[in-house]
Amino acid sequence: DTAVSQTPKYLVTQMGNDKSIKCEQNLGHDTMYWYKQDSKKFLKIMFSYNNKELIINETVPNRFSPKSPDKAHLNLHINSLELGDSAVYFCASRETADTIYFGEGSWLTVV
Amino acid sequence: AQSVTQPDIHITVSEGASLELRCNYSYGATPYLFWYVQSPGQGLQLLLKYFSGDTLVQGIKGFEAEFKRSQSSFNLRKPSVHWSDAAEYFCAVKGSSNTGKLIFGQGTTLQVKP
Repeated sequence: DTAVSQTPKYLVTQMGNDKSIKCEQNLGHDTMYWYKQDSKKFLKIMFSYNNKELIINETVPNRFSPKSPDKAHLNLHINSLELGDSAVYFCASRETADTIYFGEGSWLTVV
Repeated sequence: AQSVTQPDIHITVSEGASLELRCNYSYGATPYLFWYVQSPGQGLQLLLKYFSGDTLVQGIKGFEAEFKRSQSSFNLRKPSVHWSDAAEYFCAVKGSSNTGKLIFGQGTTLQVKP
């Protein structure tokens, strides 16, 4: 049973397309995140939701829109994809004791 | 602002040798510190964490880390490295807000020679 699962794991798409990455956690946590890992492997937070409410929105283009239908799900929708959006996107969730658990990552390649 | 520095971008050790990966943090209060490992093509796995108490913490896969407040460091160690330890290692500190977000270092790539 995967605690934090993301789909798809790999995604290759053309510039200008719109795509979504889905994330689900079965840990019962209230807080979920999206992190981006760039080509230099640097990890930076993008968004965070606590019980369906947006609590972190870092400096991210508004082409990126997170959506949390319930506290177990946090999806990431990206409009008008650009070459620079190519990265690994990690979903994560946090237990109340502050430990954060990450998903397996979604490798996005924009061509 | 909080920050994490991993001074070594790339480290190569021989299998069976000891390992120390360095991590320095900048944080005003008592930090919550983490080490994660990312194997090639894989996600991030938590190795260990420090919140308070004993400054030497044990983790999975035979790793340990020591919190040294005077040096603002949280170095990761392993007495004998295995070839399967080759991976990217990330040190992180929890940010000061209640959001729990992590601030990561730039990572250290570990290569293991046979």
